[in-house]
Amino acid sequence: ETGVTQTPRHLVMGMTNKKSLKCEQHLGHNAMYWYKQSAKKPLELMFVYSLEERVENNSVPSRFSPECPNSSHLFLHLHTLQPEDSALYLCASSQDLRENTEAFFGQGTRLTVV
Amino acid sequence: GENVEQHPSTLSVQEGDSAVIKCTYSDSASNYFPWYKQELGKGPQLIIDIRSNVGEKKDQRIAVTLNKTAKHFSLHITETQPEDSAVYFCAAREELTGGGNKLTFGTGTQLKVEL
Repeated sequence: ETGVTQTPRHLVMGMTNKKSLKCEQHLGHNAMYWYKQSAKKPLELMFVYSLEERVENNSVPSRFSPECPNSSHLFLHLHTLQPEDSALYLCASSQDLRENTEAFFGQGTRLTVV
Repeated sequence: GENVEQHPSTLSVQEGDSAVIKCTYSDSASNYFPWYKQELGKGPQLIIDIRSNVGEKKDQRIAVTLNKTAKHFSLHITETQPEDSAVYFCAAREELTGGGNKLTFGTGTQLKVEL
């Protein structure tokens, strides 16, 4: 295991539901990330947090709302999603945002919006 | 921003043969290029990386080459084994507008090693 744990592993939700994805890292890292992985597309960076402060919001729709209460935990709150939001959502962490620091990924949450 | 292109999208090789995956990038300022392997049901894991002050790096059966002038880098796997079957992603690191850096990924290559 990489030291980055995501829950749940699978999630099916309706378009009117509200749900949250959780990520926890046990590596003592200061930076955490949310990525979206869709079929036949590059991994898309959604949000970057460094020391619990958001430093990047990659033009993500407001129906995705991140939260970083401390450097070990990262949440992605979901509401009124669309079917095209179905994808694998990956959390990652790195020591910090400096150059050449390795990113460690969790196993992802497979999200299906019905 | 950075744009990373990766080819091929799928690659089938016989066990024991070599596999080569190629990537190009657009931002000449990028200086760190990791490769990730993603097995079914798992998140991507770093397998090798290269920095712009190095032209080649090798780790057992895996090697990566970098041509900064042409802005392309490649992953080479020799003596392939069935457990090498996975999706491989290249990436290039670029600077964030707010400070720090981020990875831009290629679209991935599905490698299948056949017995």
